[in-house]
Amino acid sequence: AQSVTQPDIHITVSEGASLELRCNYSYGATPYLFWYVQSPGQGLQLLLKYFSGDTLVQGIKGFEAEFKRSQSSFNLRKPSVHWSDAAEYFCAVGVNNAGNMLTFGGGTRLMVKP
Amino acid sequence: GAGVSQSPSNKVTEKGKDVELRCDPISGHTALYWYRQSLGQGLEFLIYFQGNSAPDKSGLPSDRFSAERTGGSVSTLTIQRTQQEDSAVYLCASSFGLGGQGNTFGSGTRLTVV
Repeated sequence: AQSVTQPDIHITVSEGASLELRCNYSYGATPYLFWYVQSPGQGLQLLLKYFSGDTLVQGIKGFEAEFKRSQSSFNLRKPSVHWSDAAEYFCAVGVNNAGNMLTFGGGTRLMVKP
Repeated sequence: GAGVSQSPSNKVTEKGKDVELRCDPISGHTALYWYRQSLGQGLEFLIYFQGNSAPDKSGLPSDRFSAERTGGSVSTLTIQRTQQEDSAVYLCASSFGLGGQGNTFGSGTRLTVV
């Protein structure tokens, strides 16, 4: 069965510092992979997605993620964090043919220090 | 509409009552999903509608949960005889249903069963 693991429940970084959020997945086929962000009281916003092609994908708000098949990972990165990036981040794998039925990781809550 | 609309945004109900949650997807989106977000279980898939096909109900936690989608557009999630463990945020999402496009999520309905 498919699963997604986000090893870090909480991460705190200083504003302007770089960020990497880890995501590991288990899925028997070529995965559709997604990162979503959720601000307090809000729904989920798609940051970026991968399903083929270049393994380094660019998303909105300056985020990028790299798909590494050998490590079953899809880590999210940002070179310089802004205070407005404080939120919860979810990694997900799409498990149906259309890749949109999502299995989510447990989420990583990001706090940004001034 | 411009986004996925869910109503009500908040619902408090007494244990044992039935509730209906509504989702109005983005116009033209053929796929519609319901997810549940709770403290103990994280984000869970509930049910998936794609066009005129029979829905995938594999995520529904019990037979007290049901959903329908009328005219390929608006969907209603019904929970009968609500229990306290049903308290959660219920999120609706829609997409074009094509490979790996990613879902657009609504802001959710926060259900509290007292």
